Amino acid sequence: DGGITQSPKYLFRKEGQNVTLSCEQNLNHDAMYWYRQDPGQGLRLIYYSQIVNDFQKGDIAEGYSVSREKKESFPLTVTSAQKNPTAFYLCASSVGTAGETQYFGPGTRLLVL
Amino acid sequence: AQSVTQLDSHVSVSEGTPVLLRCNYSSSYSPSLFWYVQHPNKGLQLLLKYTSAATLVKGINGFEAEFKKSETSFHLTKPSAHMSDAAEYFCVALGSGGSNYKLTFGKGTLLTVNP
Repeated sequence: DGGITQSPKYLFRKEGQNVTLSCEQNLNHDAMYWYRQDPGQGLRLIYYSQIVNDFQKGDIAEGYSVSREKKESFPLTVTSAQKNPTAFYLCASSVGTAGETQYFGPGTRLLVL
Repeated sequence: AQSVTQLDSHVSVSEGTPVLLRCNYSSSYSPSLFWYVQHPNKGLQLLLKYTSAATLVKGINGFEAEFKKSETSFHLTKPSAHMSDAAEYFCVALGSGGSNYKLTFGKGTLLTVNP
């Protein structure tokens, strides 16, 4: 069953803590993306990766970090430098980045304790 | 710069009546346009996409959208609403050239379907 999985569904972060959100895809897509969604707003791009071992900052990369060691995996770390991390985080993938349709995972909701 | 405007933040219809969700885009070229649907606490599901072929695009679940270049619009319609259509809908434009990976999202339209 092909698709994009994100875990966990809910994640709680304590003050000063780094947390990592998982994103895995078995669609054999080269490109992967992380978005942040806040209430009443559209999605904003955090980071994207066009190929393994390469990634670029999106519009709101500050306080976040990523890695792309495997084609199927693109984890996002929310660092303590991100002062307002409470949001819904969505991972997406596409065949390539040349105008391809992006397909989304089910999302992770991050809450601050 | 590219932008997407969804003209209504909330639309409420009765079950069995038509649905119209409005979207205007601003771009110096003919972009690729998408409609996505999001049910509560779920990811985004692709409804349909326009990529400069036919201007009337049919999607899943009976939805369709018409690209009108003269009006810079890409409104989403469905002849008869179903309770399961209640969700948030996003109109999205895809960049071109050096930013052809970049999606520009509208702020979303929440569709309520009343019994």
